[in-house]
Amino acid sequence: DMKVTQMPRYLIKRMGENVLLECGQDMSHETMYWYRQDPGLGLQLIYISYDVDSNSEGDIPKGYRVSRKKREHFSLILDSAKTNQTSVYFCASSFQYAEQFFGPGTRLTVL
Amino acid sequence: GEQVEQLPSILRVQEGSSASINCSYEDSASNYFPWYKQEPGENPKLIIDIRSNMERKQIQELIVLLDKKAKRFSLHITDTQPGDSAMYFCAASAGTGANTGKLTFGHGTILRVHP
Repeated sequence: DMKVTQMPRYLIKRMGENVLLECGQDMSHETMYWYRQDPGLGLQLIYISYDVDSNSEGDIPKGYRVSRKKREHFSLILDSAKTNQTSVYFCASSFQYAEQFFGPGTRLTVL
Repeated sequence: GEQVEQLPSILRVQEGSSASINCSYEDSASNYFPWYKQEPGENPKLIIDIRSNMERKQIQELIVLLDKKAKRFSLHITDTQPGDSAMYFCAASAGTGANTGKLTFGHGTILRVHP
C-alpha cells in the first residue's frame, strides 16, 4: 500500500524553539518535497530533494533546512521557530517528476 | 520562478451543472499541469493531469484543456455532485533546468455544489 507518513501530526512550540518534522515514504521514490499551506496562499514549496543528500531550495526556503540521509526519509528542521511559521506542512514524494503523493500533513503552531 | 494564477477563488454551482476553474501560467517552459483535490482536513490528491503534448484530456466527468499559446489551462467538471465539493488546486511544472520537478500551485478554488 503506497503511503507517505508524517510525524507528528500536531505540534505546538514556543517562539525560538527548534522544530523537527519527519516524513517517510514506502514507494522508493527518489524525489521528495516539503510544502507549507496557508489559507488563501495554496501550497508553497519549501525544499525539494532529488535523492539522498541532493536537496534544492524551493520558493520559500528562508528559515528552514532539510535533511535526507535515507531515500525513504526526509526531515524539515526549523531552527528557532517564529510565529509566522505557524502553518500546515505537507510532505510529498514522487517517482521522478510524475504524480506527487502527499502525506497527511503536520499542523504546527508557534506561540 | 513560475507564477500560477487561479480563478475563481470560490465557485458555487447547482448539482448536475458544470463547474469550470481556470488557471494561467507565465513560464513557457512549463510542460506538466496537474490538478489536485483537497477535502477539508485531508491531504491534496491528484485527480487529473495533462502534459504539454496534449490539448485535452478526459477522465470520466473531469475534462482538462490546455492552451499553450495563451498559457492557460482549465478544469471542467461535468454533472457535478455534492461529493465534488472541495478545494481544487492547479499547478504547473517546468521540469527542466533549475526548476526541474518543482510544482508551482495556484491559490486554490473552493467548489461548493448545492443540492
